[in-house]
Amino acid sequence: GNSVTQMEGPVTLSEEAFLTINCTYTATGYPSLFWYVQYPGEGLQLLLKATKADDKGSNKGFEATYRKETTSFHLEKGSVQVSDSAVYFCALSDRTSGSRLTFGEGTQLTVNP
Amino acid sequence: EAQVTQNPRYLITVTGKKLTVTCSQNMNHEYMSWYRQDPGLGLRQIYYSMNVEVTDKGDVPEGYKVSRKEKRNFPLILESPSPNQTSLYFCASSLQGPYGYTFGSGTRLTVV
Repeated sequence: GNSVTQMEGPVTLSEEAFLTINCTYTATGYPSLFWYVQYPGEGLQLLLKATKADDKGSNKGFEATYRKETTSFHLEKGSVQVSDSAVYFCALSDRTSGSRLTFGEGTQLTVNP
Repeated sequence: EAQVTQNPRYLITVTGKKLTVTCSQNMNHEYMSWYRQDPGLGLRQIYYSMNVEVTDKGDVPEGYKVSRKEKRNFPLILESPSPNQTSLYFCASSLQGPYGYTFGSGTRLTVV
């Protein structure tokens, strides 16, 4: 079956530091990959996505590249802000699973001023 | 404003007392889904619906029911809640399957 593994958290950084949150996946088909973000007390928001190998998703300064050879979709940001503090979820779906999103466990990011 | 609305936001109930969590979306989305979020387990799908009167089980359907009588609404029903259903629940909808789900703000349920 499909699965997503994220780096363990929590992650604490200082403002303007470089961020990487690792995500690897296992899928039977050719999945689409997503990063969702959950701010405190809110639901999940789609941050970025990539639907095929070598695609790069980007939004709000965050980027992730779909690497089929390493089955990875690592999230990066060059300079984090306090407002980026949230929980980040890597997720995948493939055609065989239809509307089902498979999520990783989530990574708590705290950015200190 | 395009949104998914869940109610209630918080609910404390007792074991065995039937409850319904409502979910409504105003985007004319075909796909709707329920997830539960638990520490260390991430989000797990409970049920999903691809259209009116079409529903199917997700990863953890036991103890839950859903219905999709109209496109905008997708209520989650717990016929006889138990403490292991204490969790944070999210409803989500999408126009085209999983490509860009919109999530509700969540319902924190405690069963004592």
